This record gives sequence, C-alpha cells and structure tokens, in this order.
Amino acid sequence: DQQVKQNSPSLSVQEGRISILNCDYTNSMFDYFLWYKKYPAEGPTFLISISSIKDKNEDGRFTVFLNKSAKHLSLHIVPSQPGDSAVYFCAASGSNQFYFGTGTSLTVIP
Amino acid sequence: KAGVTQTPRYLIKTRGQQVTLSCSPISGHRSVSWYQQTPGQGLQFLFEYFSETQRNKGNFPGRFSGRQFSNSRSEMNVSTLELGDSALYLCASSLASGDTDTQYFGPGTRLTVL
Repeated sequence: DQQVKQNSPSLSVQEGRISILNCDYTNSMFDYFLWYKKYPAEGPTFLISISSIKDKNEDGRFTVFLNKSAKHLSLHIVPSQPGDSAVYFCAASGSNQFYFGTGTSLTVIP
Repeated sequence: KAGVTQTPRYLIKTRGQQVTLSCSPISGHRSVSWYQQTPGQGLQFLFEYFSETQRNKGNFPGRFSGRQFSNSRSEMNVSTLELGDSALYLCASSLASGDTDTQYFGPGTRLTVL
C-alpha cells in the first residue's frame, strides 16, 4: 500500500531549464510534506518542506507546490544545474507516520 | 561535527540467519529513525527511537526490531532473514522526536540476503 507515489522513475532536462518532479499521496491526514535529495552512496539530505496550511514554499532555485484537493505536490527546480542530478524523494508525515515515495532520478544534461 | 555513521556498510547473509546493524547519531541527537530502501518500494519507515524508547513504528513484521542505548546509539535487528530483506538500510538522527525536516541520514548499510 503505497501512500506516497512518484510515478516518474526518471526525468532528464537540459541545463538551465526547469525540472518538475511530481508526487501524489493518498492519505488526507498528512499535514507536512518534504523533499529529499540523494546522491549515490550517500544518505538522503533534506531539501525543502511545506506545511499543509500553505500552497507554496520557495527556497532559492527550489519551489514546492502543494495542491491539497488533488493530493499532489511538486518540486520545481529552476534553473536546473548538472549538480542537481540525483534521486529525489518526496515524503509525507502525519498522525505519527512518515512515508517516502519511491524516488525520481533526475539527470540534468549540460 | 561528525555525521551519522552506520556499520557495517555492506553485509551478506543467507536466508534464515539474523543480522544486527548499528547506527551512531550525530552528537547531541537523541532521536534515531530507521528506514528500508528497495527499488520497488522506495524508502519505508521502520521505526523511531527517542530516549531509549520506541516512539513510532512502521508497517513491518516483528522480525524487525530495534533498540537504543543511553548514548543514543541504536541497533536494528532482523531475524530469520528472507530474500526480500535485501535492501539498503538507512538510519537518520535528529535532535527531537518527529523532526523530519532536520533529520540527518547516514550512508546506509547494504544488506544482501542469499
């Protein structure tokens, strides 16, 4: 039972363009959402988060959008840089539970 | 400040055996969470320990257990290993329980069950 889903296992974008990573969730009790970035042979590192009371949170080149009615969140990276190439996990928490998605591998082509 | 360390980094076991993985959190962090990463399921939450007590638990069978010591180091044990237990096991530490956006992950232990 996958409560957080990332339907795109991989994504390739050109350097300088926008990267959009998507995430869907099923549990309406989730009230906090996060994105993590993971390089090979390293643990995930926190990137950006958003509370359910907001619909947008921005941090530099990274913006997370939350659409509660659609149970959908997305991460926008603009402009994309080759160093952004990594696996991105979305995560959702609520009711003392914490769920990760399956990850999307982003490749930024120079 | 040293990061989260996990030992061993790689482990090969056979079905039916048991395994113990270790996680040393960042100094001062009292919460340790464990996760299983597999290609098909992504990262799945196993459990969280804070002040030597299990605070939260994911949906895993009882073969998966853990404990936390007074110095906040944590161990995870898997008994009667199955082939499907092959995964990357990650631990993460944070100052307080539930600090999901300020948890720091270790590099993981790659467990292979043959």
